[in-house]
Amino acid sequence: GENVEQHPSTLSVQEGDSAVIKCTYSDSASNYFPWYKQELGKGPQLIIDIRSNVGEKKDQRIAVTLNKTAKHFSLHITETQPEDSAVYFCAASILGNQFYFGTGTSLTVIP
Amino acid sequence: SAVISQKPSRDICQRGTSLTIQCQVDSQVTMMFWYRQQPGQSLTLIATANQGSEATYESGFVIDKFPISRPNLTFSTLTVSNMSPEDSSIYLCSVEREGETQYFGPGTRLLVL
Repeated sequence: GENVEQHPSTLSVQEGDSAVIKCTYSDSASNYFPWYKQELGKGPQLIIDIRSNVGEKKDQRIAVTLNKTAKHFSLHITETQPEDSAVYFCAASILGNQFYFGTGTSLTVIP
Repeated sequence: SAVISQKPSRDICQRGTSLTIQCQVDSQVTMMFWYRQQPGQSLTLIATANQGSEATYESGFVIDKFPISRPNLTFSTLTVSNMSPEDSSIYLCSVEREGETQYFGPGTRLLVL
């Protein structure tokens, strides 16, 4: 089955700096890659996703890039704010099938 | 997107007892899933709740321990049976419409003493 690795496990950045979280996957058939943000005491919330026919997607301060050849994808957050502090999970799937989640990255934005 | 509610939001239970968690979504969905998230860990899929038939369980999870119902396209329950402290976790419901992503409920935080 699919194996998703996520790095780093913890990340601290100064407010206003950028944060990058990276994930790799093993199954070349995977074609859908969502990112979720989980705040303390809440369920995971979808923040951005990308399909394998696209190399990059951006939504305001958040962007995701995908390298199918290398089987890795990354989340980029620019101009970080304290409210970006949370745990972020990546996932990989063949759309319509099981999601395989990374191990999570705890992001702390220091004011 | 989808608006998903879970009940209860949290509970403290005694070992040996059972707890049923409810998941309600605001509109019909194709798929409903149940996940477990142990403290500081990632999400582990317990089972897929199938409407009108038995749930499909992942390796390591069995129906006797985690019976699941899905009577219609907007509602599902997960029961954690004969609980032990090792069952202390967050239990998450998620839903998926055909061809779309998964959306998660707020979770049920369970502590077993």
